[in-house]
Amino acid sequence: AQKITQTQPGMFVQEKEAVTLDCTYDTSDQSYGLFWYKQPSSGEMIFLIYQGSYDEQNATEGRYSLNFQKARKSANLVISASQLGDSAMYFCAMREAYSGNTPLVFGKGTRLSVIA
Amino acid sequence: DAMVIQNPRYQVTQFGKPVTLSCSQTLNHNVMYWYQQKSSQAPKLLFHYYDKDFNNEADTPDNFQSRRPNTSFCFLDIRSPGLGDAAMYLCATSTILETQYFGPGTRLLVL
Repeated sequence: AQKITQTQPGMFVQEKEAVTLDCTYDTSDQSYGLFWYKQPSSGEMIFLIYQGSYDEQNATEGRYSLNFQKARKSANLVISASQLGDSAMYFCAMREAYSGNTPLVFGKGTRLSVIA
Repeated sequence: DAMVIQNPRYQVTQFGKPVTLSCSQTLNHNVMYWYQQKSSQAPKLLFHYYDKDFNNEADTPDNFQSRRPNTSFCFLDIRSPGLGDAAMYLCATSTILETQYFGPGTRLLVL
């Protein structure tokens, strides 16, 4: 069974600094996808970044990058140059990549607070 | 430019009074999902449609039903809402193997 672990319930970061949100996963599948979503207080889940298990390079999307360490089964999200608008809940999620419509498995989330 | 639309954004209902939440999408995705998210928790999948094929999660209460009359629309029916059903309800869509895109959610309050 798939499992996602986010060990940081809450994080604080100074504006303009970088921050790393931890995510480890457990799966017996060789093919899978890893996702990060941001959920502001408004409630909408906003897709940030995706990493496939066979991708050799770490995914990057603007200020977001995913530090993928397959052997350690970790997929940490790095946010560079934090902004006040980055304050939100962040969820790591995983899905078996080659199983059609297999749903996402979410971690419990990390609440990030950016301080001015 | 909204891709996944949920109506209403806020819904207040009375204990035991049926309520329907709606979701529509302009992405032409063949998979649509309904999640329930309670305060400070991760989203919990209730069910999903792959085209017209309905897939219910094993622990989804019978009180929750869903309809998908066409590709664009999907409805969540709560037949007899209880106080414990107060939550954020999130709709998401995807194609096979692709990223799920979420709507803004509907906050349900049960009085």
